[in-house]
Amino acid sequence: AQSVTQPDIHITVSEGASLELRCNYSYGATPYLFWYVQSPGQGLQLLLKYFSGDTLVQGIKGFEAEFKRSQSSFNLRKPSVHWSDAAEYFCALTSGGYNKLIFGAGTRLAVHP
Amino acid sequence: DVKVTQSSRYLVKRTGEKVFLECVQDMDHENMFWYRQDPGLGLRLIYFSYDVKMKEKGDIPEGYSVSREKKERFSLILESASTNQTSMYLCASETTGDHNYGYTFGSGTRLTVV
Repeated sequence: AQSVTQPDIHITVSEGASLELRCNYSYGATPYLFWYVQSPGQGLQLLLKYFSGDTLVQGIKGFEAEFKRSQSSFNLRKPSVHWSDAAEYFCALTSGGYNKLIFGAGTRLAVHP
Repeated sequence: DVKVTQSSRYLVKRTGEKVFLECVQDMDHENMFWYRQDPGLGLRLIYFSYDVKMKEKGDIPEGYSVSREKKERFSLILESASTNQTSMYLCASETTGDHNYGYTFGSGTRLTVV
């Protein structure tokens, strides 16, 4: 069955520190992979997506993610975190078409000044 | 850019009421989705629709129904609201095509059933 696991429920980092949010997936082939961010009380905003090709994808707000087929992972990274990055982050996959988007449980990021 | 609009940001309803959550997209998309978001559970699919008058159950359809009479509008209906349906509800529209493929979400409706 298709699934997405985000092992970290909460992460706290200091402003300016680097960040890596983990995402592991279970899927029979190469899925379409997404990272979304949700600020408090808001809907979801797409940070980046991976379909095929270069396994390192760049997104908005200085985020990047690397697809590693051998590890079934799609971890999100940012070299220097800003206080405005405090939010909840969701990893998701779909096989395309009108197949459903399957989400992980989310990782809540707190940023200390 | 695709815009997905959910008509209400916050709703408070009484147990047993019939509740309508409305979602409108402006890009003539065929595929639309309703998700429910709860802490620690991420987003779970309630229903989706791939065309007018077409609908498919998602993972947690019990207690919900949907309506899609026009392509741009996808409504979620709680037939008889219960307190366990207190949640954040998110609507999404799917952009197809290789380069632009993805989902656009509305801002969400936070529903409280008392």
